[in-house]
Amino acid sequence: DIQLTQSPSTLSASVGDRVSITCRASQSFSGWLAWYQQKPMKAPRLLIYKASTLESGVPSRFSGSGSGTEFTLTIKSLQPDDVATYYCQQFHSYPWTFGLGTKVEIK
Amino acid sequence: QDQLVESGGGVVQPGGSLRLSCAASGFNFRNYGMHWIRQASGKGLEWVTSIGEDDNSEDYLDSVKGRFTISRDNSENTVFLQMSGLRPEDTALYFCAKDVGANNRFFDLWGQGILVIVSS
Repeated sequence: DIQLTQSPSTLSASVGDRVSITCRASQSFSGWLAWYQQKPMKAPRLLIYKASTLESGVPSRFSGSGSGTEFTLTIKSLQPDDVATYYCQQFHSYPWTFGLGTKVEIK
Repeated sequence: QDQLVESGGGVVQPGGSLRLSCAASGFNFRNYGMHWIRQASGKGLEWVTSIGEDDNSEDYLDSVKGRFTISRDNSENTVFLQMSGLRPEDTALYFCAKDVGANNRFFDLWGQGILVIVSS
């Protein structure tokens, strides 16, 4: 199974800050990674797929990058609406696995 | 409007059974793989099972193999999760999710989730 390790587990930043979340994989794969945003008591929302493709309707301040074993989700200018937990997910091989999540807070 | 609505959750004793349903609307259901993903309270997301577009391919998390069965009815636009031999560690919010098709197994539409509690 491919293990995904997210860091940090919690992130506190000011409105307008640039923030980045890292997802490291236990095996290398090329781009079969997605990022989701989950707000409290809500279902996850797809943000990024294939490592760097922005899902339709997602604000352009979100971006994804990476390949191999290291992937990054970046929020260019943090907004209050971005308070949520963010998960990466690999769809390279079964079982599809998620990272443990990164909780983003406003300082 | 694309939508997934889960039903069938509840409280069940260890060893018991439960059948979850997920009704889809707003998209061509038979063209997409469907999945169940669960989340224990305060925890992260855990993929449980998938069924392919053609209804011939199923995959399961090791810990649910032999206990859970996924199926779909393309005429009713519904996917099911039959759960038996339930354990306390199966307690979670269960989400139904749709993938984007063509074997791209990431999830662009989720239901609101249905709670399953396994407790005596």
